[in-house]
Amino acid sequence: EAQVTQNPRYLITVTGKKLTVTCSQNMNHEYMSWYRQDPGLGLRQIYYSMNVEVTDKGDVPEGYKVSRKEKRNFPLILESPSPNQTSLYFCASRGQNNSPLHFGNGTRLTVT
Amino acid sequence: SQQGEEDPQALSIQEGENATMNCSYKTSINNLQWYRQNSGRGLVHLILIRSNEREKHSGRLRVTLDTSKKSSSLLITASRAADTASYFCATARMDSSYKLIFGSGTRLLVRP
Repeated sequence: EAQVTQNPRYLITVTGKKLTVTCSQNMNHEYMSWYRQDPGLGLRQIYYSMNVEVTDKGDVPEGYKVSRKEKRNFPLILESPSPNQTSLYFCASRGQNNSPLHFGNGTRLTVT
Repeated sequence: SQQGEEDPQALSIQEGENATMNCSYKTSINNLQWYRQNSGRGLVHLILIRSNEREKHSGRLRVTLDTSKKSSSLLITASRAADTASYFCATARMDSSYKLIFGSGTRLLVRP
């Protein structure tokens, strides 16, 4: 089954403790992206990657890192999480330009 | 910055009625897409309309696009309780067609 898989589904952590949210897709998509969703603000893009070893900042990249060493994986790294990064995070991927995005089921992160 | 803005923010209708949601945007676009999100889950693509198209249908969904007014509408006919969800428009800009900008969504409640 074609899918985008994120882990974990829920994560509670403390300020400053490094964490990684994994994302994997099995559709051989070149493009992958991370979004955060906050009430009243819709989805905002954090980082995206157009191919292996190619990553770029989205609208809200501060406090986040990503890597794209393999086509299928695009982990999101929070080196020193802060409470304002408490949010619902989504990974998404797509094939050719302008084709629809496929989303993972989300990771709800709480930073205390 | 937000590109697509949905209207209304929330909509409550009776099962069997039609639901209309609107989306306005600011800059020229390559295409406009509508997505659906069930509570806290990943977004699911519904329909894509290109900038040179004016209307598109998919099952009970009808999407219109008016590029002169920079607006789109999503009509769901004969609504069902299972249509209860949040609906988002997303625009792919002409100057950066890899990037989708999401609005803040319309929450639709269909009462049985």
